[in-house]
Amino acid sequence: QQQVKQSPQSLIVQKGGISIINCAYENTAFDYFPWYQQFPGKGPALLIAIRPDVSEKKEGRFTISFNKSAKQFSLHIMDSQPGDSATYFCAALSGGYQKVTFGTGTKLQVIP
Amino acid sequence: DADVTQTPRNRITKTGKRIMLECSQTKGHDRMYWYRQDPGLGLRLIYYSFDVKDINKGEISDGYSVSRQAQAKFSLSLESAIPNQTALYFCATSEPQGKLFFGSGTQLSVL
Repeated sequence: QQQVKQSPQSLIVQKGGISIINCAYENTAFDYFPWYQQFPGKGPALLIAIRPDVSEKKEGRFTISFNKSAKQFSLHIMDSQPGDSATYFCAALSGGYQKVTFGTGTKLQVIP
Repeated sequence: DADVTQTPRNRITKTGKRIMLECSQTKGHDRMYWYRQDPGLGLRLIYYSFDVKDINKGEISDGYSVSRQAQAKFSLSLESAIPNQTALYFCATSEPQGKLFFGSGTQLSVL
């Protein structure tokens, strides 16, 4: 059962463009939504995270938009750079933060 | 030195062989996890442990076993490897607030 659905599976964006990755969840008990970034040959690393009491969180060129009523959240990468080329995973946790449920991942390629 | 260290980085084995993947951490975290990554399927939880005496199955534990030898060490075993266990395996630790710290992974190929 896929509790967090992520799209698209892959994405190609021109340098300077906006990359958008979308996720949807089903479990209303989720209350923490992180995004992880994974470079080839490396493990995922936390990029940015949001709690459902806010609709947006921005850190540099990375922004999470959160729509609680629609049970959707998205990652926006502004002014995308070739160094942003990586696989991105959305995730969700519920109270106690014991287990993380991951989306299926999006492979982003930013071309010059 | 890496906070979460996995050995080996790469392993090729044959069907039916028993293998062990090892993980050690210097984060001082109680919570440790084993994940499997497959293209198009994302990261799936195999086993997790919240302390030395606590072991829990994840969503895909069949064919795997684990051992928590100490707070810092958590190993994953495949008792009799099969080709569909070919995957990238990650060990991770977490803070109580849920932030995960991953190792660099073990690429396992079962022939």
